[in-house]
Amino acid sequence: NAGVTQTPKFRVLKTGQSMTLLCAQDMNHEYMYWYRQDPGMGLRLIHYSVGEGTTAKGEVPDGYNVSRLKKQNFLLGLESAAPSQTSVYFCASKTGSYEQYFGPGTRLTVT
Amino acid sequence: AQSVSQHNHHVILSEAASLELGCNYSYGGTVNLFWYVQYPGQHLQLLLKYFSGDPLVKGIKGFEAEFIKSKFSFNLRKPSVQWSDTAEYFCAVIPSGTYKYIFGTGTRLKVLA
Repeated sequence: NAGVTQTPKFRVLKTGQSMTLLCAQDMNHEYMYWYRQDPGMGLRLIHYSVGEGTTAKGEVPDGYNVSRLKKQNFLLGLESAAPSQTSVYFCASKTGSYEQYFGPGTRLTVT
Repeated sequence: AQSVSQHNHHVILSEAASLELGCNYSYGGTVNLFWYVQYPGQHLQLLLKYFSGDPLVKGIKGFEAEFIKSKFSFNLRKPSVQWSDTAEYFCAVIPSGTYKYIFGTGTRLKVLA
């Protein structure tokens, strides 16, 4: 039981490049979330999903897209990366008990 | 807009000192409350949670928190901190019936040996 895993762990992009971050969970959780963590700003919700095939915008969705084609996977895409998207990205999943389980994070640098 | 405030951004304590970290939220309805901890280089882990019942909840590693509804507060406490408690602590709220968590900006705790 791996819990929540994220791929890749680190990535450096140039401005304008695109990439996809993968989040996978093996706990059969319905809900999945993408956050970004920046110094002094805590965690901010980018997008979330309440089930397979559904997604919704969070607090800071601009510049990101997501897809939840399979229940266990939640993908976060950056179509045209900007330096402002330099951050640490965390994925989380939960059951109906409201407790979230977090992945190890992806550190992204956009130059 | 709903928000969570953590007033202490940085706290430095000596080992064995007592700890209290403040957390206040702005939402008038029923909420579920959490404290998460992030050790250096690691992901967030749940310390404790409050859904209902006894407003004093106990979590892992000797931490506890008290929900005071009239003050919209959920402060985290530990009687005697250890060097290994050095971490960043996040308070989070989820209004009942919603799916979105609201996190505070975090408190960075450093415990001196």
